[in-house]
Amino acid sequence: GENVEQHPSTLSVQEGDSAVIKCTYSDSASNYFPWYKQELGKRPQLIIDIRSNVGEKKDQRIAVTLNKTAKHFSLHITETQPEDSAVYFCAASIEVRAGSARQLTFGSGTQLTVLP
Amino acid sequence: DGGITQSPKYLFRKEGQNVTLSCEQNLNHDAMYWYRQDPGQGLRLIYYSQIVNDFQKGDIAEGYSVSREKKESFPLTVTSAQKNPTAFYLCATLGGVRTGELFFGEGSRLTVL
Repeated sequence: GENVEQHPSTLSVQEGDSAVIKCTYSDSASNYFPWYKQELGKRPQLIIDIRSNVGEKKDQRIAVTLNKTAKHFSLHITETQPEDSAVYFCAASIEVRAGSARQLTFGSGTQLTVLP
Repeated sequence: DGGITQSPKYLFRKEGQNVTLSCEQNLNHDAMYWYRQDPGQGLRLIYYSQIVNDFQKGDIAEGYSVSREKKESFPLTVTSAQKNPTAFYLCATLGGVRTGELFFGEGSRLTVL
């Protein structure tokens, strides 16, 4: 099955700096790569996702890049703010067949701390 | 108020006892999932169900069981066969096969004494 590795496990940055979290996946058939943010004591929430037919996607201060050849994807957060402090999870999935439910394989998570 | 409701939020259990975690949704989503969250290990898939009366094992199904008798409900039973059941359990629904977005409940924290 799919295996997703995520680095680093912890990351501290100064407010206003950029943060980058990297993930690699093993199954070349994976075609959907979401990122979830989980604030302390709260449920994970989708913040951005990318499909294998594009190489980069941006949404305000966050962006995700995908390198299918190398099988890795990254989350970039610019101009970090204290409210960005959370655990971030990457994930990868395959659509087994059209219309089927996806199985997401998650990375182990990155604890991001933005220092004021 | 639409969403996913998990109960109980906190649960304590003695070794050897089975316990059932409830997950109810009013989002009219077909697919539902159970994940286990442990520190430093991310979210691991226990079971998922694509439709009523159908469910599939995930990566760590041993010691767990589920049922899907109604579209709205997907309860998880942690049996005494689960060797290390103390964990945080998250239920989720799939927003749509085209979107791929998972919507999570607030979770249930199980502690085995």
